[in-house]
Amino acid sequence: DAGVIQSPRHEVTEMGQEVTLRCKPISGHDYLFWYRQTMMRGLELLIYFNNNVPIDDSGMPEDRFSAKMPNASFSTLKIQPSEPRDSAVYFCASSTGAGRNTEAFFGQGTRLTVV
Amino acid sequence: AQSVTQLGSHVSVSEGALVLLRCNYSSSVPPYLFWYVQYPNQGLQLLLKYTTGATLVKGINGFEAEFKKSETSFHLTKPSAHMSDAAEYFCAVSERYGNKLVFGAGTILRVKS
Repeated sequence: DAGVIQSPRHEVTEMGQEVTLRCKPISGHDYLFWYRQTMMRGLELLIYFNNNVPIDDSGMPEDRFSAKMPNASFSTLKIQPSEPRDSAVYFCASSTGAGRNTEAFFGQGTRLTVV
Repeated sequence: AQSVTQLGSHVSVSEGALVLLRCNYSSSVPPYLFWYVQYPNQGLQLLLKYTTGATLVKGINGFEAEFKKSETSFHLTKPSAHMSDAAEYFCAVSERYGNKLVFGAGTILRVKS
């Protein structure tokens, strides 16, 4: 398996523009997570899905952020409009099973820079 | 709510020396605990995990960790550091429902030659 695939790896955009980050989870995994990593706040869970349904979006910072999972093999995280403080590395992760002891597999991340 | 505290944002050891990275957790229920490693410009990779059973857990690359309930700790150790161990290490605890992971702030390990 190719693992969790994120695209793009790097994104530079101007303030006010819309940004869409993409994620393909590992086939067969029914949980998908979006994390954000910054120097100031570390790794924060933004939202996670189970069987394509959003379960907890309490970590989404503002209404400018939205996430969708139209099917089991694809998810997007959208920021509209983007702001410089959104600059961070965004990770997607997936896991399988309902148990608490299953590990999450992470993608390589998208480094977002908003100028 | 669960939380994780990693003591020391930076740890420096000499090659061949013992590695000790500290992690303390807070949880109102029996925790499941994880250590992840992140190499530069990479995603996170699982080193080891504690779920139930044996409290001493062995992971990849010679790392191990011991769950100590009385101390609410899950410290990561390796007897002999290698240059390739230089990376950032994250301790995490899973919450009660679902697979949500709460991460510590991370510890950057530097290995000196």
